[in-house]
Amino acid sequence: KAGVTQTPRYLIKTRGQQVTLSCSPISGHRSVSWYQQTPGQGLQFLFEYFSETQRNKGNFPGRFSGRQFSNSRSEMNVSTLELGDSALYLCASSLEGFEDEQYFGPGTRLTVT
Amino acid sequence: AQRVTQPEKLLSVFKGAPVELKCNYSYSGSPELFWYVQYSRQRLQLLLRHISRESIKGFTADLNKGETSFHLKKPFAQEEDSAMYYCALHSGGYQKVTFGTGTKLQVIP
Repeated sequence: KAGVTQTPRYLIKTRGQQVTLSCSPISGHRSVSWYQQTPGQGLQFLFEYFSETQRNKGNFPGRFSGRQFSNSRSEMNVSTLELGDSALYLCASSLEGFEDEQYFGPGTRLTVT
Repeated sequence: AQRVTQPEKLLSVFKGAPVELKCNYSYSGSPELFWYVQYSRQRLQLLLRHISRESIKGFTADLNKGETSFHLKKPFAQEEDSAMYYCALHSGGYQKVTFGTGTKLQVIP
């Protein structure tokens, strides 16, 4: 079966702009989680969506938001970009949640200049 | 607050030598612990989880609640084990997941 896909794979934005990243989960998976990966902080949990509802949220400012559609596809939005938002953003999908195996996408590399 | 600590950023071992990747956690309840692996140019993937108590690719990990540890072990390292390894904790229910900073395992031929 097709794996988790993320678009775009690479993105360059300017400080102050906003960005939207997309994640398509594996068919049948209802949980989608988002992570930020940086060399300094490692992998940090952003939020998790299940059946179009945000079920969990990490310790990130309100500039980071997301949503999930009825087909389980998810988008993540970052407003008023800062240089520190430069990172690899990963999404992962699973059947029902963290208790199930998470399948990760390839990530979107965001560079903020 | 929950925390996962992987004290070693880099672990180098010779092929055939035993491997132990350390993971300590801080959580007051009953945690669910996982090991994830990322091989070069591949996606992050689940290696094993403590509830399944299985051996994957020769790796095992035992949850030690007394020492709050979940170390990953393999008796004989192989070159193909070279990768980045992440320990992760899920606090159960609808809670967040916390990853350690990762340990790069380098197996020297």
